[in-house]
Amino acid sequence: NAGVTQTPKFQVLKTGQSMTLQCAQDMNHNSMYWYRQDPGMGLRLIYYSASEGTTDKGEVPNGYNVSRLNKREFSLRLESAAPSQTSVYFCASIRATGATIYEQYFGPGTRLTVT
Amino acid sequence: AQSVAQPEDQVNVAEGNPLTVKCTYSVSGNPYLFWYVQYPNRGLQFLLKYITGDNLVKGSYGFEAEFNKSQTSFHLKKPSALVSDSALYFCAVRETAVGNNRLAFGKGNQVVVIP
Repeated sequence: NAGVTQTPKFQVLKTGQSMTLQCAQDMNHNSMYWYRQDPGMGLRLIYYSASEGTTDKGEVPNGYNVSRLNKREFSLRLESAAPSQTSVYFCASIRATGATIYEQYFGPGTRLTVT
Repeated sequence: AQSVAQPEDQVNVAEGNPLTVKCTYSVSGNPYLFWYVQYPNRGLQFLLKYITGDNLVKGSYGFEAEFNKSQTSFHLKKPSALVSDSALYFCAVRETAVGNNRLAFGKGNQVVVIP
């Protein structure tokens, strides 16, 4: 299993440009999440998808959109990038079935710089 | 709302000495608690979790954590630190009543193990 994969690993954008961060998992997990990591602020949830066909806002959704393309893939789109969106973005997934409490699995991250 | 506090920015410890990374949480009901580790330029890796039962939880790489309900704490411990334990450590909490597996993360603690 590759686990959770993210593309690209690095990206530099100019202010106002758009891009899509891709995430895929091969563990047949139901729920997927997008986080951003900024120094001294931990991980903050941007959007999540509890199951295929549903998406919900997290803590910091402004400036982002998401698409749960199928059970495997969950993409994050920046329509008009701003310097405040310079961050490291992590995708995560979790099994989320039955009464068992599972842990989230994380991808390797995408380091985005907006100039 | 659920939240986690990791009061120290950095923990310095000599190799071979005990390591403790502190975490306190706030939830309205019973908590599910997690510890993750992040090595440089990598995603988060799961270390251990507390769901219910024994207050002392054992995890990966010789780490353990103690759940203390009266102090609302979940401190991570390792009896003898290794240089390779130098990394960023995150505590996270999920309320038992929350059905979407959303986690609230602390801001992280940088652990530096000195040879």
